[in-house]
Amino acid sequence: EAGVTQFPSHSVIEKGQTVTLRCDPISGHDNLYWYRRVMGKEIKFLLHFVKESKQDESGMPNNRFLAERTGGTYSTLKVQPAELEDSGVYFCASSQVSGWTDTQYFGPGTRLTVL
Amino acid sequence: DAKTTQPNSMESNEEEPVHLPCNHSTISGTDYIHWYRQLPSQGPEYVIHGLTSNVNNRMASLAIAEDRKSSTLILHRATLRDAAVYYCILTSSNTGKLIFGQGTTLQVKP
Repeated sequence: EAGVTQFPSHSVIEKGQTVTLRCDPISGHDNLYWYRRVMGKEIKFLLHFVKESKQDESGMPNNRFLAERTGGTYSTLKVQPAELEDSGVYFCASSQVSGWTDTQYFGPGTRLTVL
Repeated sequence: DAKTTQPNSMESNEEEPVHLPCNHSTISGTDYIHWYRQLPSQGPEYVIHGLTSNVNNRMASLAIAEDRKSSTLILHRATLRDAAVYYCILTSSNTGKLIFGQGTTLQVKP
């Protein structure tokens, strides 16, 4: 069974540019989560999709971040325009069912560097 | 959100057992205790979870105190590959999101 995949693995952009990160969850997993770790900080939750619907987007830092999950399969996270403080590692995770007992499977992350 | 407290770092020798403690004195009755770990340059990885009873799986054991205010992750024989940051996380019934703390960085010496 393929795990959670993320693309690209690394992205280096300049301040003000746009970047789109992609996450492909494990097949059949309705739940998809985005997290990120910025330099020196803890891993923070960004948002949670159940199929194509946003269940919880309380962790999204501001309106420069836009997450989509068309068709309930893969998800994209767009940052526009990128700022220096957006640098960090963005993780995606998926789980089969929604709830606090289910295991989340994480991808390897996308390392974003904003210059 | 219920919080957990873990030591910043621990050391172990290879082939020896490791006990990683976690305090969660404000845990509520329906909170589950999850452990994840993050190996270098990888995403977090599920280790084990439990509610009240001790749990065992192929990776580790989870010992939960009777009052549930603390728990211990037990790696029975540490290997070099177990060197990672270990996170103790409580999950609540109203959300599926994981709230990560700083975790415990485990060093395993050969």
